[in-house]
Amino acid sequence: DTAVSQTPKYLVTQMGNDKSIKCEQNLGHDTMYWYKQDSKKFLKIMFSYNNKELIINETVPNRFSPKSPDKAHLNLHINSLELGDSAVYFCASSLGGASTDTQYFGPGTRLTVL
Amino acid sequence: RKEVEQDPGPFNVPEGATVAFNCTYSNSASQSFFWYRQDCRKEPKLLMSVYSSGNEDGRFTAQLNRASQYISLLIRDSKLSDSATYLCVVNAPGGYQKVTFGTGTKLQVIP
Repeated sequence: DTAVSQTPKYLVTQMGNDKSIKCEQNLGHDTMYWYKQDSKKFLKIMFSYNNKELIINETVPNRFSPKSPDKAHLNLHINSLELGDSAVYFCASSLGGASTDTQYFGPGTRLTVL
Repeated sequence: RKEVEQDPGPFNVPEGATVAFNCTYSNSASQSFFWYRQDCRKEPKLLMSVYSSGNEDGRFTAQLNRASQYISLLIRDSKLSDSATYLCVVNAPGGYQKVTFGTGTKLQVIP
């Protein structure tokens, strides 16, 4: 059973397109996150939701819009894709969202913008 | 100074060796510390939490030094399967739900 799943695993698209990445967790966790890992392997948080409510919104372009239809799902929509958006995007979840909680990561979505 | 700093490595060590990594953090108010492991092209996974008193899990020992603001990870009797990138994670100041990941230290265990 996959605890945190993401789709698609790979995404190759042209500049200017709009794309979405989906994330689901079956751990019963209250908090979900989106991270971006760039080519230098730096893992940076983008968003965090707790029970469908936005908790963390880092300095991310408005082209990125997260949506949480329920606490088990957190999707990421990206408008007008740019070359610099190429990265691996990881979804994660944790039990209650406290910084002491272990975060469980999905397998990542490797986005390539051409 | 970066919030969390790690030596990127790579650390190339022979099987059976003992290797140690340090990670420094900038905010003295940080309370939560972790080591995560990330294999090539995979997701990060929790290796161990770091407690004030230090903790040990088999061949792995983690220590916290609040005075000098660093955490350490010691791996004894290195195995080939320990080859990975080790990420230091520290809770970010001001946000109870936000943690900051270091850029990782790459370990390569050589036969």
